[in-house]
Amino acid sequence: GESVGLHLPTLSVQEGDNSIINCAYSNSASDYFIWYKQESGKGPQFIIDIRSNMDKRQGQRVTVLLNKTVKHLSLQIAATQPGDSAVYFCAENRGNDMRFGAGTRLTVKP
Amino acid sequence: ETGVTQTPRHLVMGMTNKKSLKCEQHLGHNAMYWYKQSAKKPLELMFVYSLEERVENNSVPSRFSPECPNSSHLFLHLHTLQPEDSALYLCASSQDPVSGDPNNQPQHFGDGTRLSIL
Repeated sequence: GESVGLHLPTLSVQEGDNSIINCAYSNSASDYFIWYKQESGKGPQFIIDIRSNMDKRQGQRVTVLLNKTVKHLSLQIAATQPGDSAVYFCAENRGNDMRFGAGTRLTVKP
Repeated sequence: ETGVTQTPRHLVMGMTNKKSLKCEQHLGHNAMYWYKQSAKKPLELMFVYSLEERVENNSVPSRFSPECPNSSHLFLHLHTLQPEDSALYLCASSQDPVSGDPNNQPQHFGDGTRLSIL
């Protein structure tokens, strides 16, 4: 069936390095994508979103790239900090509901 | 500080108990959601309310009963739950497109209720 998935379940980076978290989606009709961050004991927190009429969007230290040709979404975090350690989810919007990936756990090493 | 508040944060109950989870959003949104989050699994959508009307029920067992008395409040009534229902239950809200407006908006989540069924 159609699904939103992540390439890697875990990612470990050195503090100060850039992080790239990837996501694959299979529904070419999806037109809206979101990245969430979930810290331990908390709910998912909105990071950044992108619509299908764009291929790149930048926020504060974060960039989302959308490649509709290969149905791929990525989240880039610049100068990763210890506070960035969390599980990151991508989500695609399909009509009235959101479909989430299982998440990638990002660990930042000091 | 989250605009979506969930209570209680933790709940332990026996299989024969009846309890309710509460969610309140202070964001002025017109849609609210219940999700179930189990370990190492994607978020599972349970219920969707838009303009206080239930628009989706993802084949959720009847032992889970939602209630949306107004656009700011959402409840999940629990009755005769099973051990496999132990999970984190998340509430979310969003400003849904209306009147054909295609601009989707992100969902904003509360911090969840950690439910344990004995």
